[in-house]
Amino acid sequence: QLHLQESGPGLVKPSETLSLTCTVSGGSISNTNSYWGWIRQPPGKGLEWIGSIYYSGSTYYNPSLKSRVTISVETSKNQFSLKLRSVTAADTAVYYCARRREWTVAGNFVTAFDIWGQGTMVTVSS
Amino acid sequence: QSVLTQPPSVSGAPGQRVTISCTGSSSNIGTGYDVHWYQQLPGTAPKLLIYGNNNRPSGVPERFSGSKSGTSASLAITGLQAEDEADYYCQSYDSSLSGSRVFGTGTKVTVL
Repeated sequence: QLHLQESGPGLVKPSETLSLTCTVSGGSISNTNSYWGWIRQPPGKGLEWIGSIYYSGSTYYNPSLKSRVTISVETSKNQFSLKLRSVTAADTAVYYCARRREWTVAGNFVTAFDIWGQGTMVTVSS
Repeated sequence: QSVLTQPPSVSGAPGQRVTISCTGSSSNIGTGYDVHWYQQLPGTAPKLLIYGNNNRPSGVPERFSGSKSGTSASLAITGLQAEDEADYYCQSYDSSLSGSRVFGTGTKVTVL
């Protein structure tokens, strides 16, 4: 059973860099039918996709965050990471890592976030 | 500033049928991109409920079903149960946002 676990500081100061790591267990991060993503949820609000990465290192970012975000992968450790620079209070949220799996359904290509980590709360405050 | 709009809340009595709409545009659902649905119970991570418009992952009850038409999609819950009280989010892909995965605004389902 695939399991994802986020880790990192729960408190980050304004203007600094938020850094989180997602550890994948029970399966390989190099699985060719999987992409790995970060999604966040501010308190009391909805979900926002931050970006995704493939095991080869190909990345895809939300245009609204692209200038501040870097997602990287370390296949030897079965981990992928998020860095969000120049944070403000608006970046306070629960951050989830998730697997975006690819299926073939009736001959069509389908991809959705099928396994999520439990999430980690990150507060931006001095 | 989600590009997928959902009603903030829907409610129903146990056993009733409720539906949640997800309205998009010609750059996402209307182009033919798939819609997926997630259930988020209070204090927990989202869980995939429907993928590829109308497919249920293993373990998801048959009372949950999805459909898509034009620029909108819908999630239906038949035989509503108390344990279905949760937030529900639709999700798709938007070609106007440099390949962004986009989520709906979210709908709170209340079981009366």
